[in-house]
This record gives sequence, structure tokens and C-alpha cells, in this order.
Amino acid sequence: DGGITQSPKYLFRKEGQNVTLSCEQNLNHDAMYWYRQDPGQGLRLIYYSQIVNDFQKGDIAEGYSVSREKKESFPLTVTSAQKNPTAFYLCASSIAGGMEPQHFGDGTRLSIL
Amino acid sequence: DQQVKQNSPSLSVQEGRISILNCDYTNSMFDYFLWYKKYPAEGPTFLISISSIKDKNEDGRFTVFLNKSAKHLSLHIVPSQPGDSAVYFCAASGGVSWGKLQFGAGTQVVVTP
Repeated sequence: DGGITQSPKYLFRKEGQNVTLSCEQNLNHDAMYWYRQDPGQGLRLIYYSQIVNDFQKGDIAEGYSVSREKKESFPLTVTSAQKNPTAFYLCASSIAGGMEPQHFGDGTRLSIL
Repeated sequence: DQQVKQNSPSLSVQEGRISILNCDYTNSMFDYFLWYKKYPAEGPTFLISISSIKDKNEDGRFTVFLNKSAKHLSLHIVPSQPGDSAVYFCAASGGVSWGKLQFGAGTQVVVTP
């Protein structure tokens, strides 16, 4: 079955630590995205990548970093510079191009200890 | 600056009746609109989309209507079923946001017996 896998589902981090969230897709999609969802809010775009070895900042990129070394993988690192990292993080992918729906993984919930 | 707004945070509807969810947008460059459904602790699931060249798109029990002059779209679910109880997000892209989705804050739908 094709899909998007995010791991782990729950993640705990101590203050001052960096943590990396995994996102893998086997849909052969060119574009991948990272969103953050906070309670009572919509999804906000952190970073996106339309092609391997290229990525762009979204609306709330500060305190985050990404890499796109393989088409299937788009890991997100939440750095210690992110002041409020507790949130639900969602990864998505789509066929490159504007009018294609994005398909989402089941998310990772990050909490600060 | 929120470009996509869902002004009703919640909606309660009886099973078998019509659910109508509303969404307003401010960016006249948006040309692609989507609705997603989300259960708690899961990723959003794509429901239906519409491009700006249309004013209606139907898929089974789901119909999306687009009023470009009013910058308004709506999702109709007929008939509503208990499994429809979820949060529904409206999203849009286009113009400089091409390929990037802007999401509304979501509407929680509860379908009662």
C-alpha cells in the first residue's frame, strides 16, 4: 500500500535539545511538505520541497531545518532555537504542480519535558 | 494575516440531514480549493477539490460550491452520517502560494443520532 509514514507517533524532548522527525513516502511524489498544527488552529507550513536537493521556507520556518537528499524522505529537525516546539507535526506529499491534492501522514506529536 | 477563514468553529447536525460548512478567502489569486477531513491524532484526509474555472464539484455525498465574486466556498454533505463527525479544513492555493496550501482553522462537525 502506498502512503506516507511519519515516525515516531509521540516524541518527547528536553529543553535545549534538537530532535528529528521522520517522514517517508512511497507514492513517488516529487513534492513534500511539513506543517505544524496547534490546538484550535489550522495547519501552518514550515518547509516544503518540490524536488530533491531543493527546499523552501514556509510561513513559520524559524527554529526548524530540513533536508531532501532522497525523493522518498524529508526529515524535519526541530532545533533548540524553536521557542514553542510543542505541537502536532504533519508531513504531506503531492505530485509536483499546483492543482494536485496533498496527501498526509498520521503526524508526530512533540512534547517538551 | 489569515487568508482562509472558517468562521464557524463547530456545527451540530442530525443524522440524515444536510451539513453545510463555509469558508471565506481574501486572496483573489487563489485558484484551487480543497476540503480535508481530520480525525483526532490522525492526518487530514483529502475529500474534494474545485478549481476556479468551476462553480460546483460533486463526489458522492460531498459537493463543493465556489462563489468567486464573494470569495466564498462551501461544502455540503448529504445525507450526514455518524462517521462524518470530524474536523473539516478548507484550504486554498494559487498566485504566489502556488503549490503551497493555506488552511482555515477548521470546523468541528458532530453528527447526532
